[in-house]
Amino acid sequence: DGGITQSPKYLFRKEGQNVTLSCEQNLNHDAMYWYRQDPGQGLRLIYYSQIVNDFQKGDIAEGYSVSREKKESFPLTVTSAQKNPTAFYLCASSPQRNTGELFFGEGSRLTVL
Amino acid sequence: GQQVMQIPQYQHVQEGEDFTTYCNSSTTLSNIQWYKQRPGGHPVFLIQLVKSGEVKKQKRLTFQFGEAKKNSSLHITATQTTDVGTYFCAPRGSGYSTLTFGKGTMLLVSP
Repeated sequence: DGGITQSPKYLFRKEGQNVTLSCEQNLNHDAMYWYRQDPGQGLRLIYYSQIVNDFQKGDIAEGYSVSREKKESFPLTVTSAQKNPTAFYLCASSPQRNTGELFFGEGSRLTVL
Repeated sequence: GQQVMQIPQYQHVQEGEDFTTYCNSSTTLSNIQWYKQRPGGHPVFLIQLVKSGEVKKQKRLTFQFGEAKKNSSLHITATQTTDVGTYFCAPRGSGYSTLTFGKGTMLLVSP
């Protein structure tokens, strides 16, 4: 089935550790996005990529890093510099740049102990 | 940057009652999308509105785009327990390449 796969679904990490969240899509979409969701805050854009080997910062990029080496993959690294990393992270893709609906993965819930 | 306000933040209705959520932008929009997120789930696309004054219907859901393309609404007629979830508007401003999500309206429906 076509779709977006995020892993892991749940992740626990100690303070000071980096962690990488995986996002893979087989929809042949050009654009991919990472959002962070906190209770009552809606979705906030971390990073996005509209083409392979290119990505842009979103509204809350500090403490995060991404790469886009393949069209299908857009991993997100939550670094130790991120002060409040505990959140629900959502990856999404869209078929076209700047337009079109977003297709979301099931999300990764990160808890920092 | 673009400011998006979505109201109400939360609404609890009895099954069969109507429900409306409103989305207001500080700037003129090129289009607006609406998403639904069930509890514990991920957002799912509902619809996109593009034209000034546009009205679209999906069964019991009615979506409107304001004449000035600065606001939008989602109305659910005769709510059902399956309507439970958080509804997000996601406007796209003119010249912006990404969507800005509102904080959402959480709908609870009691049987």
